[in-house]
Amino acid sequence: SAVISQKPSRDICQRGTSLTIQCQVDSQVTMMFWYRQQPGQSLTLIATANQGSEATYESGFVIDKFPISRPNLTFSTLTVSNMSPEDSSIYLCSVGENEKLFFGSGTQLSVL
Amino acid sequence: GENVEQHPSTLSVQEGDSAVIKCTYSDSASNYFPWYKQELGKRPQLIIDIRSNVGEKKDQRIAVTLNKTAKHFSLHITETQPEDSAVYFCAASDYKLSFGAGTTVTVRA
Repeated sequence: SAVISQKPSRDICQRGTSLTIQCQVDSQVTMMFWYRQQPGQSLTLIATANQGSEATYESGFVIDKFPISRPNLTFSTLTVSNMSPEDSSIYLCSVGENEKLFFGSGTQLSVL
Repeated sequence: GENVEQHPSTLSVQEGDSAVIKCTYSDSASNYFPWYKQELGKRPQLIIDIRSNVGEKKDQRIAVTLNKTAKHFSLHITETQPEDSAVYFCAASDYKLSFGAGTTVTVRA
């Protein structure tokens, strides 16, 4: 499977600021996704990162809060904007290969 | 959309015993059912998956069964070992994955 590198691995941020998370894949992939995992919870899909076009957001997630870029088939970024303590979560990049989903190592975000 | 329910939420077993986790799904169009294992502080890892045209699949000590009529699928771990301790997530997909709430499995030595 593809090697998925995500950074930063963790960060502590002040409320009202923004953080951009990067996801790099070692091969070209069509499908890239961003998930959120709140403490002790399951995985929730934020959006599908579409190469060359706007991301497709799931219900409850909006572009102004979670802008996503996908400039090519190996890279994507997720920005968490105007953060509040409720945004404290693990954010996971994932890629789809033959319907199988593989995850990056995650970014643990704490907002004070 | 798809709704996946997973039971139990926690499971404690003696080393060497079997563990069974059950999931149900709501959308009859779902055709792909993976299972993920997440150890503390690590990423979810795909451990086994099954497609809707197959009733059972086995890989060493783990197996998954699928009952399409009843819309439920299960993960079976035999001869459990301490390294099997983790959170396990089931998921179902028609065109995107929906995850269950997770089962925390603890294997007692």
